[in-house]
Amino acid sequence: NAGVTQTPKFRILKIGQSMTLQCAQDMNHNYMYWYRQDPGMGLKLIYYSVGAGITDKGEVPNGYNVSRSTTEDFPLRLELAAPSQTSVYFCASSYPPGAPNSPLHFGNGTRLTVT
Amino acid sequence: KNQVEQSPQSLIILEGKNCTLQCNYTVSPFSNLRWYKQDTGRGPVSLTIMTFSENTKSNGRYTATLDADTKQSSLHITASQLSDSASYICVVSATTGGFKTIFGAGTRLFVKA
Repeated sequence: NAGVTQTPKFRILKIGQSMTLQCAQDMNHNYMYWYRQDPGMGLKLIYYSVGAGITDKGEVPNGYNVSRSTTEDFPLRLELAAPSQTSVYFCASSYPPGAPNSPLHFGNGTRLTVT
Repeated sequence: KNQVEQSPQSLIILEGKNCTLQCNYTVSPFSNLRWYKQDTGRGPVSLTIMTFSENTKSNGRYTATLDADTKQSSLHITASQLSDSASYICVVSATTGGFKTIFGAGTRLFVKA
């Protein structure tokens, strides 16, 4: 099983450039999430989705956009990259959070540097 | 304010020794608490889940405890192995109208031969 797959693994962007971080899961999870992880900090939720066609903002959505056209895919778009967006980005998926066995399943991350 | 604080920030132990990692939280209303292990360059992986009524849960050499009254949890690692070198993240979920999950900053564990 592939689980949650993120691409690319690494990327360097210049200030003002745009890019899309890809995320796909093959576990038929309805819930999908994007987090960013900064040194010495807990993961912060950027956006999440409870199913195809439904997305909502997390704690730190500014500068990002998402779409969810299928159950499997949840891409994250950076429109005008800024140095503050230098981080490691994790995509995750899960069953509904209240379900008895619903841990977050994470991809292996995308390390993004904006210079 | 919903917060999850972990201690120590980092820890170095010798292979074969035991260690205990701490997690204090102020998240409410409490739903569950999970411990995740994050290897370098990888995403976190769930180790255990604790609900309000559970005090202790084991997963191999990992034993998690929960004191819901004092809002504290610990993760005890027995007979450490080199492969235990990783970050251990405490994650607390609240039962709000939707859901809210708060991540601790993690404890970085180094196991040396």
